[in-house]
Amino acid sequence: AQKITQTQPGMFVQEKEAVTLDCTYDTSDQSYGLFWYKQPSSGEMIFLIYQGSYDEQNATEGRYSLNFQKARKSANLVISASQLGDSAMYFCAMREGHNGNQFYFGTGTSLTVIP
Amino acid sequence: NAGVTQTPKFQVLKTGQSMTLQCAQDMNHNSMYWYRQDPGMGLRLIYYSASEGTTDKGEVPNGYNVSRLNKREFSLRLESAAPSQTSVYFCASRGTPWETQYFGPGTRLLVL
Repeated sequence: AQKITQTQPGMFVQEKEAVTLDCTYDTSDQSYGLFWYKQPSSGEMIFLIYQGSYDEQNATEGRYSLNFQKARKSANLVISASQLGDSAMYFCAMREGHNGNQFYFGTGTSLTVIP
Repeated sequence: NAGVTQTPKFQVLKTGQSMTLQCAQDMNHNSMYWYRQDPGMGLRLIYYSASEGTTDKGEVPNGYNVSRLNKREFSLRLESAAPSQTSVYFCASRGTPWETQYFGPGTRLLVL
């Protein structure tokens, strides 16, 4: 079974609107971490946001928030007030275990922001 | 701060040739990683090193070897390149377990 599933290969959003990128995960560990990365067309991987499995509050970083639903094993990324510069690939990733070194990435979602 | 650096940026090899991809970080991180990224596949872990002197296999280690030369440097070697190893290779490092990984700019490898 896939550890990380991103079911939206491509998404479009109007500039200044909010968009949600879906991510579900599969683990039997109680302690794990969830990450979102942005990969623009230039190719670099940019860290956006992190959620620990024991964190009670949803993580937020500026315009990015993570909608963490533990029982559903979902960790959706919400981008508010989309900007043209948000057009990129977005990857969800999971680290299993508190000190784990195995990271699992999803296949990514391509987001296009329309002016 | 340079962060994580990788050399070369781009390489073309013929089948059967060997090469070493170099990675260095200046953040005093203990853990370092090598990933490959293929279209539609996301990133897949090849090898990692949790600390200086240790290395472990990831999800797709076949055809690769690694060396953690010191705390700063972690190299990836292809002994006999195959077309299936055409990919973009990313090196990453991480400090504490709850931190994110920091990625290098990537190496584009084409094996003919």
